Amino acid sequence: GENVEQHPSTLSVQEGDSAVIKCTYSDSASNYFPWYKQELGKRPQLIIDIRSNVGEKKDQRIAVTLNKTAKHFSLHITETQPEDSAVYFCAASVGGSQGNLIFGKGTKLSVKP
Amino acid sequence: DVKVTQSSRYLVKRTGEKVFLECVQDMDHENMFWYRQDPGLGLRLIYFSYDVKMKEKGDIPEGYSVSREKKERFSLILESASTNQTSMYLCASMLGGGDTQYFGPGTRLTVL
Repeated sequence: GENVEQHPSTLSVQEGDSAVIKCTYSDSASNYFPWYKQELGKRPQLIIDIRSNVGEKKDQRIAVTLNKTAKHFSLHITETQPEDSAVYFCAASVGGSQGNLIFGKGTKLSVKP
Repeated sequence: DVKVTQSSRYLVKRTGEKVFLECVQDMDHENMFWYRQDPGLGLRLIYFSYDVKMKEKGDIPEGYSVSREKKERFSLILESASTNQTSMYLCASMLGGGDTQYFGPGTRLTVL
């Protein structure tokens, strides 16, 4: 079946450093790639997304890049802050579906002050 | 602002009990989803629904069923709860294909 691989599973950075999380997907028909942030005890919330007709998207300190040829996409967080500490999930749309997503297993990001 | 609510935040049930988890969204979304979340396994799709009275199996439907009698409400049913169904259950809704999924707060179910 289709799947999404996410790396690393845990990431620890110093406040102010950058963090990068990478995902690869298998379904060549995937065309929508959201990223969710889940703080401890809370629901996953969308932080940024990208569609297949765009190679990069940026929103303040967060950016996502997409390489459709290689089937991978990445989340970049610059100038990390302690409040960025959370679990981050990448996802890819299932080709041919009406919106189903396949999620990566998550990355626990810890930002040390 | 999209609002997705779930009937309980925490639930403790006994093995063999029938369990109902309810999800309600207030944005007239067509699509609704049930996931379970376990440490190290991410979010796994149990069932989803594209319309009232329609349902489709996800990746791990065994031991579960669903009901969607009204557009705003999507229920997950555990016919006979087992200890391996102890998990966090998350509901999500989405307007249409290719849109963002919005999650509920989750229900942490413990089956003893």
